[in-house]
Amino acid sequence: AQKVTQAQTEISVVEKEDVTLDCVYETRDTTYYLFWYKQPPSGELVFLIRRNSFDEQNEISGRYSWNFQKSTSSFNFTITASQVVDSAVYFCALSEAGGGADGLTFGKGTHLIIQP
Amino acid sequence: EAEVAQSPRYKITEKSQAVAFWCDPISGHATLYWYRQILGQGPELLVQFQDESVVDDSQLPKDRFSAERLKGVDSTLKIQPAELGDSAMYLCASSANRDSYGYTFGSGTRLTVV
Repeated sequence: AQKVTQAQTEISVVEKEDVTLDCVYETRDTTYYLFWYKQPPSGELVFLIRRNSFDEQNEISGRYSWNFQKSTSSFNFTITASQVVDSAVYFCALSEAGGGADGLTFGKGTHLIIQP
Repeated sequence: EAEVAQSPRYKITEKSQAVAFWCDPISGHATLYWYRQILGQGPELLVQFQDESVVDDSQLPKDRFSAERLKGVDSTLKIQPAELGDSAMYLCASSANRDSYGYTFGSGTRLTVV
C-alpha cells in the first residue's frame, strides 16, 4: 500500500529564513507521481508541483525548489527567503499510475508559520 | 481561471439527519474525486469517477455514504444518517485525464454534525 510521511508537524521560522519541508513516501509501483499542495487558512488546496517517478531532476520555481531522490524515497520542498504569505499547511501526496484509479494519498501535512 | 464549484460552503446538521453536497467540475474534465479532510489531517479519497462510472470507492463507507455522477458532469455526495465523526471538510477535485498536470480542487464544504 502507498504511504506518505511528513514527519514535521509544525515549523516556525522568521521571515527571510530558508525552510525545508520533508516528505518520505512508500510505494510498490515503479511508475508514480508526487505532488505538493499548499492549503492556506481559507481551506482551498493550491497545486504547487507534480513530478513523475522517472524525472529526478530538481526543479526551481522562483523561491520554491524541490529535491526528488528515489534512492531515499524523498521529495523535499524548500522555500528560500520565506515570506509571511508562505504561512500555510503544506501537503505532500502520491499517486500510483497503475490501473484506472489514481486518487492521491496525502501526508498529514506540515504547518508552516512564518513570523514577521 | 476555471474553477471546481462546490456547495454549500458550510453545513451544520444534526446527527441522524441526511446531508448532501454538490460539486461541478471544470468543464470537460472526465475524472472527478471526492475527498474527506478531518481537521489536522490530510485529505483522504472517498470516491473517484471516470465520466459517470465509479473507478474507486474502496474507502467510501457505503453503509451511510453514497455518491453519484449521473450524466458524467456534476456530482452529489450524500450522507445518511450523519454521525458526529463525519464532521470534516469535503473536497471535490477534477482532472481532464490521468496525465493532467495537476488536479484542481474546489473550496470544499465544511460539515459540522451536532
